[in-house]
Amino acid sequence: GDSVTQMEGPVTLSEEAFLTINCTYTATGYPSLFWYVQYPGEGLQLLLKATKADDKGSNKGFEATYRKETTSFHLEKGSVQVSDSAVYFCALSDPMDSGGYQKVTFGTGTKLQVIP
Amino acid sequence: DGGITQSPKYLFRKEGQNVTLSCEQNLNHDAMYWYRQDPGQGLRLIYYSQIVNDFQKGDIAEGYSVSREKKESFPLTVTSAQKNPTAFYLCASSRDESYEQYFGPGTRLTVT
Repeated sequence: GDSVTQMEGPVTLSEEAFLTINCTYTATGYPSLFWYVQYPGEGLQLLLKATKADDKGSNKGFEATYRKETTSFHLEKGSVQVSDSAVYFCALSDPMDSGGYQKVTFGTGTKLQVIP
Repeated sequence: DGGITQSPKYLFRKEGQNVTLSCEQNLNHDAMYWYRQDPGQGLRLIYYSQIVNDFQKGDIAEGYSVSREKKESFPLTVTSAQKNPTAFYLCASSRDESYEQYFGPGTRLTVT
């Protein structure tokens, strides 16, 4: 079955530092890839997505590129802020693995803490 | 504003009692989902429903039950058969197969 592997956290960075959170995946077909963000005590919010190889998703200064050759979708941001402190989930949706319905497979999440 | 509501935000129950968690959406989405989130384990799918009056078991359905009598509503019952029910429960919906999932704010259930 499909799977998503994220780097272990927590990740602690100083404000304005460069962020990379690694994500790799295995999938049967051609999945769509997502990054979700979860602030403390809240549900998940979609941060960005990419639906095919070489697509770049971007939002709020975050970016991730769908790399089929390395089966990766690493999240990056050039300059993090304290308000970016949250848990980040990489996820994929692969209809080929789920009989046609939109099953989403999530990684275990990476906690980011940004200190002033 | 369209969105997903879950109530209550915090829920406390005694062991042996059934409890029902509410999930309502006004996004006109066909598909709805229930996930359980435990620390360090990401999200695990409990049940999902693609259309009204139909639902399927997810990866960890044992000890849970659902209904989908209306498009807008997908309540989850945590039964006394669920061995470890204390967790954060998230409801989500999506328009169809190719679209991302939208999440509610979650319900934190504590069973003592």
